[in-house]
Amino acid sequence: EADIYQTPRYLVIGTGKKITLECSQTMGHDKMYWYQQDPGMELHLIHYSYGVNSTEKGDLSSESTVSRIRTEHFPLTLESARPSHTSQYLCASSGRGHVGELFFGEGSRLTVL
Amino acid sequence: QQQVKQSPQSLIVQKGGISIINCAYENTAFDYFPWYQQFPGKGPALLIAIRPDVSEKKEGRFTISFNKSAKQFSLHIMDSQPGDSATYFCAARVYNNNDMRFGAGTRLTVKP
Repeated sequence: EADIYQTPRYLVIGTGKKITLECSQTMGHDKMYWYQQDPGMELHLIHYSYGVNSTEKGDLSSESTVSRIRTEHFPLTLESARPSHTSQYLCASSGRGHVGELFFGEGSRLTVL
Repeated sequence: QQQVKQSPQSLIVQKGGISIINCAYENTAFDYFPWYQQFPGKGPALLIAIRPDVSEKKEGRFTISFNKSAKQFSLHIMDSQPGDSATYFCAARVYNNNDMRFGAGTRLTVKP
């Protein structure tokens, strides 16, 4: 079982609120990712990181931001949430010893009213 | 644009039957093709993966068939069980690249 944790699992907030989705992994993986998952749609990469102080935007435009100050921690922040941000957010990591394998957290389901 | 096309969107199979999920891709630079399994309330987990230098890979009841010339690959679940009920995602990636492209998923229901 993968050691990657996301909090909160569920969050319902009002429009305009600032939120941070937390993601931590204990596997020492260099690479970490945030995916957005909507029903019946492919997982879309919104952010990734190769290591500490490295962050890149994925192919799906997102108003969120990320930071990577520690290897194990990769939080995602929305400064001002909107209903269009309602989605499931999945954090993942990968290491050198598992070529190609992504280890996913259980997800954070965000609902913006 | 969707780089990996997956079908069907949903699938219902009787217990003991064979479940077949298909995927197609366009980018010939892809050279790693995993399948992920996702149960409700959980994140996706790697089920089985294949590289294009082989046409088939089998792990227990799960088999990937790969057709490089047609740019298609499929997942076969033999002797399907109710516990296999989940959403399955195919994916493709250029080797050693961070950019994993996922299909839209197939919700499999295995009826007892």
